[in-house]
Order: sequence, then C-alpha cells, then structure tokens
Amino acid sequence: QVQLVQSGSELKKPGASVKVSCKASGYTFTSYAMNWVRQAPGQGLEWMGWINTNTGNPTYAQGFTGRFVFSLDTSVSTAYLQISSLKAEDTAVYYCATRKDTALDYWGQGTLVTVSS
Amino acid sequence: QTVVTQEPSFSVSPGGTVTLTCGLSSGSVSTSYYPSWYQQTPGQAPRTLIYSTNTRSSGVPDRFSGSILGNKAALTITGAQADDESDYYCVLYMGSGICVFGGGTKLTVL
Repeated sequence: QVQLVQSGSELKKPGASVKVSCKASGYTFTSYAMNWVRQAPGQGLEWMGWINTNTGNPTYAQGFTGRFVFSLDTSVSTAYLQISSLKAEDTAVYYCATRKDTALDYWGQGTLVTVSS
Repeated sequence: QTVVTQEPSFSVSPGGTVTLTCGLSSGSVSTSYYPSWYQQTPGQAPRTLIYSTNTRSSGVPDRFSGSILGNKAALTITGAQADDESDYYCVLYMGSGICVFGGGTKLTVL
C-alpha cells in the first residue's frame, strides 16, 4: 500500500535551517508529483507548491519563494523540504502529499516544525 | 490572486444532510477546476474524500458526494454521523500543477 512517512518533529532557533523528509513506498516514486502543504497552528491548509518527480523541477506558490526549497533523492524515493532563515511564523505542521492528475491523493503524517528562541 | 471561499462553519444534526460549498471570489467554479474535497480531524493528516468534482476516493462511504451547484462546488453529507465532525477543505486545480485551498469549513454534528 502507498505510504508517505515523514521525518520527526523539529525545534529550531530563528535564523536556522530545517530539512523535512518524506519517504514514499508502495508505488513507483516517479509516477506522481509531490506536493507540500503547510498548516500553521489553528489555521487552514495552505498549498506550498510541488516538485516534478521525473525532472526534479519545483514550482513554488506565492509566499513560498526564496527560503523554501523542494528537492528529491529518487534513489531512496524521498522528497525533501528545506526552509532556511527560519522565522517564528514558519512554525507549522508541514505535509507532503502525492498528486494524481488533478487532486492530492496520499498524505504523509505531517512534521511539526517549531521555531522558537 | 485566486481566493477560494468556503463557509467558516456549519452544523448538522445526526442523521441529517448538509451541503458545504466551495466558490471563487471572482468567477464560477466548474468541473474544469476539478474540485476535490478533504476531511481533517484535529491532530490528523487530511484524508482525500472526493476528486474530479464527484469521484469518491477508495474507502470513502457513499454518503459523501460531490457536485457542482450553481456556480460552486459542493460536498454533500447524507446521514451525518458523529465522526463526520471535522474540518473540510476544498481544493481547486488551476492547471500546471497549481492547487488552491479554500479556507476550510468546520462541521459540527449536534
């Protein structure tokens, strides 16, 4: 069965960087695009962008350019989200999700990133 | 910038029927936006309910249905149960891999 397993919670200081992983199993990794979704505490879901798992080409939503980087390691079927120069407002749960055609399909369990001094 | 609108909250009685909607701040939602719906309970990852307007994801009960009503996408829950109490999000597909979430609807079953 399809599974997306994300890395564990992170506590970081402002200005630091964090890298969240999303390991896929149960399907051919390059068959589906990988998306990233943010959920700030008490807030709704926000689409951050996606990465083409065939070409590695990322697309970032407005508001997620510059400090946010999507990457892949197809040899281990893993997608990554790196956030640099962390700010308190980056505190959120980050989800990876596959996209099949036009809809988000399978979801990771989420990774809580807390930014606090 | 595209803004997808949803009712902030809704309530339904157990066994009742409720329809949640998903609109655009400017324009109409059509099947061309391939609306999809997601359910999220507190502390859990979202679960995909409906995609391409009205196709249920695997394992989703048939009391969940999707449609276009007027100029909005709609999610109808027929025979609401206590464990349907969740947040519901719609997503519109804008093409080129771009998705936009609505603000979500908090559904209370009481």
